[in-house]
Amino acid sequence: DAGVTQSPTHLIKTRGQHVTLRCSPISGHKSVSWYQQVLGQGPQFIFQYYEKEERGRGNFPDRFSARQFPNYSSELNVNALLLGDSALYLCASSFGQVNYEQYFGPGTRLTVT
Amino acid sequence: GESVGLHLPTLSVQEGDNSIINCAYSNSASDYFIWYKQESGKGPQFIIDIRSNMDKRQGQRVTVLLNKTVKHLSLQIAATQPGDSAVYFCAENSYGQNFVFGPGTRLSVLP
Repeated sequence: DAGVTQSPTHLIKTRGQHVTLRCSPISGHKSVSWYQQVLGQGPQFIFQYYEKEERGRGNFPDRFSARQFPNYSSELNVNALLLGDSALYLCASSFGQVNYEQYFGPGTRLTVT
Repeated sequence: GESVGLHLPTLSVQEGDNSIINCAYSNSASDYFIWYKQESGKGPQFIIDIRSNMDKRQGQRVTVLLNKTVKHLSLQIAATQPGDSAVYFCAENSYGQNFVFGPGTRLSVLP
């Protein structure tokens, strides 16, 4: 069975540009969460979507936005990229909204120059 | 805000020995915990979870212990193998909230 998939694997952008990252959850999972992981640190929560609605938001600026589609896949958008946005962006899926096993994808490595 | 922390940033063990990775959490309302393993360049891999109504749970070569009194979580790996070398994270969750991760512990298995 396919796990969580993310695209692209790697991405290089320049400051001020916009980026869209994509995630497909495990089949049957309805919740998708996005995390940012800076090198040497643990993942930091950005968003959770469940049943196409935003259910949680972490302490990130409004430049970060996301959405979930009817097939439960999700996109993370980041506008006006800053050097500090360089990180591994992780998507995780779970069956339910809270207190369910959460499985991560391989991540998208974003480098902002 | 509330956060999860780890006592030891690095841990080196001999191959074949048992490993114990510790985690302290600060949110007494947390009721669900997951241990993840992350290898270089990969996403975190689910290892084992435990809910607050339990104090111990066992998997294949791994055991998670939860002590709610002192808000402490540990991951025990039996007969540690070279393939166990990775960074290990504990993550806590309280009902209706998002998962909070600590900074991680790097496990290095020595031959």
